[in-house]
Amino acid sequence: AQSVAQPEDQVNVAEGNPLTVKCTYSVSGNPYLFWYVQYPNRGLQFLLKYITGDNLVKGSYGFEAEFNKSQTSFHLKKPSALVSDSALYFCAVRGGFNDYKLSFGAGTTVTVRA
Amino acid sequence: GAVVSQHPSWVICKSGTSVKIECRSLDFQATTMFWYRQFPKQSLMLMATSNEGSKATYEQGVEKDKFLINHASLTLSTLTVTSAHPEDSSFYICSARPGDYEQYFGPGTRLTVT
Repeated sequence: AQSVAQPEDQVNVAEGNPLTVKCTYSVSGNPYLFWYVQYPNRGLQFLLKYITGDNLVKGSYGFEAEFNKSQTSFHLKKPSALVSDSALYFCAVRGGFNDYKLSFGAGTTVTVRA
Repeated sequence: GAVVSQHPSWVICKSGTSVKIECRSLDFQATTMFWYRQFPKQSLMLMATSNEGSKATYEQGVEKDKFLINHASLTLSTLTVTSAHPEDSSFYICSARPGDYEQYFGPGTRLTVT
């Protein structure tokens, strides 16, 4: 079985400061990892994914994530947060090429204050 | 590209009636679509996997006779909530897989059963 843990329910940062949203995963095969963002009453928007290759993945809106196999982590980062980054962030994992099901973390609410 | 739409975005129905939610991939063909349910401030729960031309695969604990899924074409999947009850009130989100990796999500449908 695969699972994702997002240890922080909420992250609060000031605008202009670095933003980190933590994610750890558990999967039996090679992990395919994803980050999505959700705004109120909206569906999920894809931010970035890790399939293979460089451990540092760059995505939409200035976000990036670092895959760390030894720590089974895939933390989302942004060097300088914007107020508009305030939203609900989900980390998700699927257990390899032949497994299309996504398992989501509980979500982390990010609030960026002006 | 990779846009997924849902209709309606918001529906209120009376207890005991049925309601149909449509999920369409607008600019790509999706062999597989997924239906999720999301409770307030919670993560997404996968309900079923819908493959074009075949029966949907339901997750454990999801009543297939209550949540009827039809994937009639490569761009359309429907979820029908039959004999709806207030406990079925939720946010329903679909996603579609255009290729091997990421899923693209619809904007969601808010169902309220009175």
